Amino acid sequence: GENVEQHPSTLSVQEGDSAVIKCTYSDSASNYFPWYKQELGKRPQLIIDIRSNVGEKKDQRIAVTLNKTAKHFSLHITETQPEDSAVYFCAASRGSNYQLIWGAGTKLIIKP
Amino acid sequence: SAVISQKPSRDICQRGTSLTIQCQVDSQVTMMFWYRQQPGQSLTLIATANQGSEATYESGFVIDKFPISRPNLTFSTLTVSNMSPEDSSIYLCSARGAGANVLTFGAGSRLTVL
Repeated sequence: GENVEQHPSTLSVQEGDSAVIKCTYSDSASNYFPWYKQELGKRPQLIIDIRSNVGEKKDQRIAVTLNKTAKHFSLHITETQPEDSAVYFCAASRGSNYQLIWGAGTKLIIKP
Repeated sequence: SAVISQKPSRDICQRGTSLTIQCQVDSQVTMMFWYRQQPGQSLTLIATANQGSEATYESGFVIDKFPISRPNLTFSTLTVSNMSPEDSSIYLCSARGAGANVLTFGAGSRLTVL
């Protein structure tokens, strides 16, 4: 079955710098790749997603890139701010009728 | 996307008792899921709640321990039965609309078993 690996487990960056979190997946049939942000004590919330027919997607300071050949996708956060501190989860699925397979999560720490 | 109300938000329970968590969605959704999340860990899928039929459980989870109901397209419950301290965790319900990929979560129920 599908397996999603996420790295690093913890990432500490200086405020204003960029942060990159990477995930690899094993199922070549996966075609949907969301990223969720979970602040301490809160529910996971979708921040950006990408489908396999697209190589990159941007939303203000957040971008996701997908390399289908290598089966990996990455989250890029530019100009990091204190409110970006959270745990970020990647996931993959074959589509709307299939469950999401989750990465282990990355704790992002923004240093002032 | 759907808005999900989940309750209770937290509870402290005695060993051997059972607790039912409720999840209400503000619109009809095709799929509802129940997850467990240990502190500092990722999300573990317990089961898919199927409307009008038995839930589909993931490996390691059984109906006798985690009975699930889904009487309609907007509501589901998860019961944690015969609780032990190992059941202490956060339980999250989630939902996905018809043909949609996006998964929305409830606020979670933090369960502590003494």
